[in-house]
Amino acid sequence: LAKTTQPISMDSYEGQEVNITCSHNNIATNDYITWYQQFPSQGPRFIIQGYKTKVTNEVASLFIPADRKSSTLSLPRVSLSDTAVYYCLVGGGVRDTGRRALTFGSGTRLQVQP
Amino acid sequence: EPEVTQTPSHQVTQMGQEVILRCVPISNHLYFYWYRQILGQKVEFLVSFYNNEISEKSEIFDDQFSVERPDGSNFTLKIRSTKLEDSAMYFCASSEVAGEIAFNEQFFGPGTRLTVL
Repeated sequence: LAKTTQPISMDSYEGQEVNITCSHNNIATNDYITWYQQFPSQGPRFIIQGYKTKVTNEVASLFIPADRKSSTLSLPRVSLSDTAVYYCLVGGGVRDTGRRALTFGSGTRLQVQP
Repeated sequence: EPEVTQTPSHQVTQMGQEVILRCVPISNHLYFYWYRQILGQKVEFLVSFYNNEISEKSEIFDDQFSVERPDGSNFTLKIRSTKLEDSAMYFCASSEVAGEIAFNEQFFGPGTRLTVL
């Protein structure tokens, strides 16, 4: 399973764009990149998933360079309610062993201030 | 929006007692999971369940743990003889059957906080 490295914490202010980068140097050809968000005392929540280039949904964008050794989660115009822990996970392609268990690291603790 | 539900929200038990944590996954999902998170630590995978059998399990999921889908809607985690170190938040999750991607979205419940005294 590809190891991921993220910053332990980040601070931002309301209205700013936040970019959280995750490195995954040993990502496998069939691996996907998935990001989850967790608020205190709640279960993780899926944010976005991608394989290459750029993926955008209603809450975030995911940028993946051509070598796929890193990825950046971009949160546009954060608000106080975006204060949470953000996890980058790698794995799960169709030629994978079929392993579906999510392996969470320590994540990035994002603190948004007014 | 459909959601995963869990009961109880809090469970306090004495060491050595059996506990059963209950989950109702999203109705059309076929993969079910249990995770736990000790206070201040990472979310850890325990077990996954598909087609009425365990699909994967971690080293944490030893003989003290068992899972069951007793009917068409509930998914339970039983801890036979609780230890102090079992105190944690236990999350149930469910997902649809995977197509191309094994890591398709998992929907987590709100968790059960288990306190073992």
